[in-house]
Amino acid sequence: AQTVTQSQPEMSVQEAETVTLSCTYDTSENNYYLFWYKQPPSRQMILVIRQEAYKQQNATENRFSVNFQKAAKSFSLKISDSQLGDTAMYFCAFMRRFSQGGSEKLVFGKGTKLTVNP
Amino acid sequence: DTAVSQTPKYLVTQMGNDKSIKCEQNLGHDTMYWYKQDSKKFLKIMFSYNNKELIINETVPNRFSPKSPDKAHLNLHINSLELGDSAVYFCASSQSGGSGANVLTFGAGSRLTVL
Repeated sequence: AQTVTQSQPEMSVQEAETVTLSCTYDTSENNYYLFWYKQPPSRQMILVIRQEAYKQQNATENRFSVNFQKAAKSFSLKISDSQLGDTAMYFCAFMRRFSQGGSEKLVFGKGTKLTVNP
Repeated sequence: DTAVSQTPKYLVTQMGNDKSIKCEQNLGHDTMYWYKQDSKKFLKIMFSYNNKELIINETVPNRFSPKSPDKAHLNLHINSLELGDSAVYFCASSQSGGSGANVLTFGAGSRLTVL
């Protein structure tokens, strides 16, 4: 079974600074996807970034980037130029690459609560 | 236009009652899911459907019965509600295959409180 571990229950950062959230996972699979989802106080789950395991290049989305270390099974999220709107719970998640639609599930970590201070 | 919409957003009810949560997606996706988020914010899958067919059924009590009348709708009916059912229930959808495969779009969640 796959597991996802987020070792930082809470973090804080000053506005405009950079912060890195940690995530490690355990799997024997070779083909899979990794995700970071954001859940602001509004409760909505928002996809931040996706990484395909077969791609060596780290994914980036504007101020968000990942450091994907496949051998170490590590998938950290870096937020640059932090903004007040980045305050949220951040969930790391894993999904095997599926062959049949719906046959795989997102396995989530327990989340990191990030607070961006003015 | 809301991509994945759930109703109701909030639901407060008494123990022992039966309640339903409805979900609709207008993204044309062929796969839909129910996830449960407990009081500690932990998210876990309950069910998945692909083209109206039940694919994943995690170890969920029989009191929970999903129904998918078509691939755009997935409802969750809960019988004999218990205190431990209090949680936020998220509906999500995805498209199998293609460049967006494995990417789930979530609804806004339905907060169920059982008194």
